[in-house]
Amino acid sequence: TQLLEQSPQFLSIQEGENLTVYCNSSSVFSSLQWYRQEPGEGPVLLVTVVTGGEVKKLKRLTFQFGDARKDSSLHITAAQPGDTGLYLCASNDYKLSFGAGTTVTVRA
Amino acid sequence: GAGVSQSPRYKVAKRGQDVALRCDPISGHVSLFWYQQALGQGPEFLTYFQNEAQLDKSGLPSDRFFAERPEGSVSTLKIQRTQQEDSAVYLCASSPGQGGEQYFGPGTRLTVT
Repeated sequence: TQLLEQSPQFLSIQEGENLTVYCNSSSVFSSLQWYRQEPGEGPVLLVTVVTGGEVKKLKRLTFQFGDARKDSSLHITAAQPGDTGLYLCASNDYKLSFGAGTTVTVRA
Repeated sequence: GAGVSQSPRYKVAKRGQDVALRCDPISGHVSLFWYQQALGQGPEFLTYFQNEAQLDKSGLPSDRFFAERPEGSVSTLKIQRTQQEDSAVYLCASSPGQGGEQYFGPGTRLTVT
């Protein structure tokens, strides 16, 4: 099982600010996924990255995959209260191995 | 269409009781997964079914945990003689095939008192 470290553990920002969360592993990811989980719900897939150096954008969210495929970041521009949630990264080898997540709170 | 559903949404059990948690996957999805999510943590893999076959149960924490999917659709996770450390959210996910996107249900929050 691949061990994933996420940082920071908690992040609280004001609406309109930018934020970045990180996901790191000591071993190479075959593919990496980012999820958002809201209270009382299951995780929802945001993006899958496969190729080293890959950058994907989803509206105000930008996902980067490290060249060596051992790290990834999620950047949110102009955060909104609706972005509040638990952000999880996971490696996908048919079963998912998740990091502990970053809890993001965006204050109005 | 309908997503993954789980029941009950909340379950309180006294220590030593047996519980059964149900998962209804998306119709036609071949793969079904169970995960356990402790408070403040990410989900951890418990077991995997492809149709009715349980192909991986390496994540089940003890022999008190048992899962089945007898007809390749609905699945039940059973926990015998519950302990306080079993308190967690139990998530079910289904996928059209192996390795594809997993769609999660809302989870069952189990509290053992």
